[in-house]
Amino acid sequence: EAQVTQNPRYLITVTGKKLTVTCSQNMNHEYMSWYRQDPGLGLRQIYYSMNVEVTDKGDVPEGYKVSRKEKRNFPLILESPSPNQTSLYFCASSQTVEVSSPLHFGNGTRLTVT
Amino acid sequence: GENVEQHPSTLSVQEGDSAVIKCTYSDSASNYFPWYKQELGKGPQLIIDIRSNVGEKKDQRIAVTLNKTAKHFSLHITETQPEDSAVYFCASSPVGATNKLIFGTGTLLAVQP
Repeated sequence: EAQVTQNPRYLITVTGKKLTVTCSQNMNHEYMSWYRQDPGLGLRQIYYSMNVEVTDKGDVPEGYKVSRKEKRNFPLILESPSPNQTSLYFCASSQTVEVSSPLHFGNGTRLTVT
Repeated sequence: GENVEQHPSTLSVQEGDSAVIKCTYSDSASNYFPWYKQELGKGPQLIIDIRSNVGEKKDQRIAVTLNKTAKHFSLHITETQPEDSAVYFCASSPVGATNKLIFGTGTLLAVQP
């Protein structure tokens, strides 16, 4: 089944403890991206990647890192999480970098930082 | 930069009624407008999209209309069913951006049986 898989689904951590949220897609998609979803703010892009070893900042990149060493994986790293990073996170991929190429989203990771 | 406003934030309708969600964008050069549906516990999924050279597009019970002059676009759902209950997001794409979408703030649609 074609899908984007995120892990974990739920994560509770403390301020300053490094964490990684994994994302993997099995569709050989070129483009991958991370979003955060907050009430009243919709979906905001954190980072994106147009291909292996090519990443760039989105609209809210502060406090996050990403890497794209393999085409299928695009982990999101929080080096020193803070409470304002408590949010619902989505990884997404699309076949090409064209804007009309539909985004396929994972089922989300709900992160709580205390 | 591009900004997308979406209204209403919540919408409750009776089964069988129509539902309309409206979005306004700020960048007159935006040329692609998708709508995504997010069911509870899942990620958003594309349900319909429209390009700036088209005024209306239909797919069974859903349709999207675009008014470039007024810079707004709307999602229309007819004969609503309980399975239409979800959060709906509109989005627009700034010209020249690489698969970059600016999303609206979402509308929670509840269809009452």
